[in-house]
This record gives sequence, C-alpha cells and structure tokens, in this order.
Amino acid sequence: GAVVSQHPSWVICKSGTSVKIECRSLDFQATTMFWYRQFPKQSLMLMATSNEGSKATYEQGVEKDKFLINHASLTLSTLTVTSAHPEDSSFYICSASLGKRDWGEQYFGPGTRLTVT
Amino acid sequence: DAKTTQPPSMDCAEGRAANLPCNHSTISGNEYVYWYRQIHSQGPQYIIHGLKNNETNEMASLIITEDRKSSTLILPHATLRDTAVYYCIVRVLNDYKLSFGAGTTVTVRA
Repeated sequence: GAVVSQHPSWVICKSGTSVKIECRSLDFQATTMFWYRQFPKQSLMLMATSNEGSKATYEQGVEKDKFLINHASLTLSTLTVTSAHPEDSSFYICSASLGKRDWGEQYFGPGTRLTVT
Repeated sequence: DAKTTQPPSMDCAEGRAANLPCNHSTISGNEYVYWYRQIHSQGPQYIIHGLKNNETNEMASLIITEDRKSSTLILPHATLRDTAVYYCIVRVLNDYKLSFGAGTTVTVRA
C-alpha cells in the first residue's frame, strides 16, 4: 500500500513554455502533498507543501508564480512550471502523507525528469 | 532540526551486513531519527524511524545510542539492490518537513 505515482516520468519542453506534472496517491487519501526538486548530484530540496483545498505553502526562495501548485482532491496534486527556462531543468519529486501522525512516513513518487531546451 | 553527519560513501559486500553511521549530537529530546534511501533516479523510500529504543522492521534495524547523539542503520544482508544514497534525518514527529542532507552513497559489491 501507500503508492504514489507521477506523470509524466520525463518531459522535454522548449524554453518559455509551461509544463504540468501530476502526483497521485493511488491507494490512500493524502491530506498533504509535498513537492521537492533535486539537481544532479545534489540532495532533495523541499519546494512547497500543499493541502487539499487550500493554497500551497512555498519554501523561501521558491517563486509561487512560477511554480503553480494545485491540490484539488485528496488524491491529486499538480505542479505547473510556467515559462520554463533551462535552469528549471531538474528532477521533480512529490510525496504524500497520510496526515499529522504519519508525516515522517512520507511516501514518495518516482519523480519526473524535466529538461528545458 | 538537528543537523546530521554521515560519511559520504561506503562499500559493502553482498550478503554481509551493512552498518551505516549517523551523528546527531545536537538532537533534542522530542526529535526522532528517520532513515530514507534513494535509489538512482527514483524517489526516496522510507526505511525506519525511532526515538530512543532500537527498532527493527523487514528492511533494517536502527540502533540509537543511549545518549541519542548517534545512530546506526543496519541492513542485515545487503544485496545489490540496496545500492543507494541513504539519508539520516532528525525531526520532530509532527513536523512535516524532511531536510535531506548529502547522505551516504552505499555501493554493494558482488
């Protein structure tokens, strides 16, 4: 149980375009979902936290107008990278939590590799 | 959250136990020790967590020293599929943030 999927697994887009990444909890309802970014040979950095039905909370230094997060249901959160540029090329990973008591056991998706040309 | 210190890399032989150390000398009384791992180009995977008692599950064992300033993750019989970056994280139970450090790159060799 506790499976999280992401779609697409990889995407190539042209500079200036937008790309949407989906994160789904397949067999549980996720009160909270998280979005991370990982550059090559670096560790994961938390970008934002989203709660179903409310606005996302962004970490310091993350542009909320560039990285749009929508958490419309308990099983789906989306991250849209708007006006993507080559420096946005990265590995984007989402995770989902069952709730307050299980925040430590975040269940991670397989990640989405974004390449902006 | 308390900072953790892990060796950057280690090798171990397939079939042998792998002992991964982690120092967290500034850990607070209400902070837990969590371990995650990330296999190349995949999302992290939860392994185990504990407060002060030793813990064991189907994946690994976690040994926490009595003063809680350090811990060891033990993979009892390492396989090639255990090759990954292992992250030791300390955090308060109800704090959602996971702060990933550099971790330890573990390479299991046949």
